[in-house]
Amino acid sequence: DAKTTQPTSMDCAEGRAANLPCNHSTISGNEYVYWYRQIHSQGPQYIIHGLKNNETNEMASLIITEDRKSSTLILPHATLRDTAVYYCIVSAAGSARQLTFGSGTQLTVLP
Amino acid sequence: SAVISQKPSRDICQRGTSLTIQCQVDSQVTMMFWYRQQPGQSLTLIATANQGSEATYESGFVIDKFPISRPNLTFSTLTVSNMSPEDSSIYLCSGRVGTGTSYEQYFGPGTRLTVT
Repeated sequence: DAKTTQPTSMDCAEGRAANLPCNHSTISGNEYVYWYRQIHSQGPQYIIHGLKNNETNEMASLIITEDRKSSTLILPHATLRDTAVYYCIVSAAGSARQLTFGSGTQLTVLP
Repeated sequence: SAVISQKPSRDICQRGTSLTIQCQVDSQVTMMFWYRQQPGQSLTLIATANQGSEATYESGFVIDKFPISRPNLTFSTLTVSNMSPEDSSIYLCSGRVGTGTSYEQYFGPGTRLTVT
């Protein structure tokens, strides 16, 4: 699976949009981009995933660049409860491969 | 989606003993996994739990130390055997829903293990 690069930490003001970047320059054609987050002392929570089109659900939006070498997770109106470690993971579609977690981005939402 | 529960949520164990962690999913999942998260670290996959057959272990993890069972599509156990303080971690069960072109994977709340 392709390797991802994320900033170690980010801050965001409460109520503002949080934009979390992820680089995955070695992504291959059949690999999806998955986003998870882990709030302190909890298991990881699935957020969203996509292949090449932008995706939106009730939690977030995922913007994937046209060349698919990077993506951005957008939390439109961050709240204090969004403070967590956010993991960007690239994984091949339809395979039995496991999700490989990197070190992620610690997002801190400030009041 | 899938809701995953684990028992126990936490335990403190003496070195040399073993602990079995149970994982229950509220719906059938195509795949189940066990992860370990050491303090301050990211998640590391221990093994894929295969229904009715031996689990598939990742490099650095062996069956004698982490025996795993998965008797059906919604239940799995992980045993941490002959524990040492280095086994103090959070152990997480995970289940995957969907196959084909994409899937979603869900995680349990974790079992926090402290070995003294």
